[in-house]
Amino acid sequence: NAGVTQTPKFRVLKTGQSMTLLCAQDMNHEYMYWYRQDPGMGLRLIHYSVGEGTTAKGEVPDGYNVSRLKKQNFLLGLESAAPSQTSVYFCASSAPGGGYNEQFFGPGTRLTVL
Amino acid sequence: GQNIDQPTEMTATEGAIVQINCTYQTSGFNGLFWYQQHAGEAPTFLSYNVLDGLEEKGRFSSFLSRSKGYSYLLLKELQMKDSASYLCAVLDSNYQLIWGAGTKLIIKP
Repeated sequence: NAGVTQTPKFRVLKTGQSMTLLCAQDMNHEYMYWYRQDPGMGLRLIHYSVGEGTTAKGEVPDGYNVSRLKKQNFLLGLESAAPSQTSVYFCASSAPGGGYNEQFFGPGTRLTVL
Repeated sequence: GQNIDQPTEMTATEGAIVQINCTYQTSGFNGLFWYQQHAGEAPTFLSYNVLDGLEEKGRFSSFLSRSKGYSYLLLKELQMKDSASYLCAVLDSNYQLIWGAGTKLIIKP
């Protein structure tokens, strides 16, 4: 089992460019999450999904969009990247259960926006 | 507002014991998690507490006091590989995880 994988691992964008981050999990988890992690701050939830075809906003959703067309995949899109979106992005998944279950994280995507 | 406080950095000696504290003020409480994160890597689950008291798991133990809004992670017999950041997270009334900024633990020989 690969667990949670993320593509790409690193990316440099120019302001205004767009990109999509891909997250895949092979644990048959219903719940998936996108977080960003910035120095000196806790992980912040961008968007999440409680099942195929459903998505919801987290704490910091502005500037991002997501899609969950297949249960195993959760895509995060940046339509027009800004320097404030320079961060490390983590995808996570968990079994259903109201959030009580541990989250399994992918290795992260390090994004720099110039 | 919601707030999770942890010390930014701690230093301890190999073989010793260290306690990492976490205090929280959140809208509701449905449990508290501890995760470990090595530099440049993903967080990994360590423990979950929802009732008051101490949960022991090998060299690691986690304590919770809901009335005080307080938890700690206790690491015994420290090893160099325990050098990492330790993240405290609270599951709030909306079943969302609210994360602390993490405590960077440095182990010295």
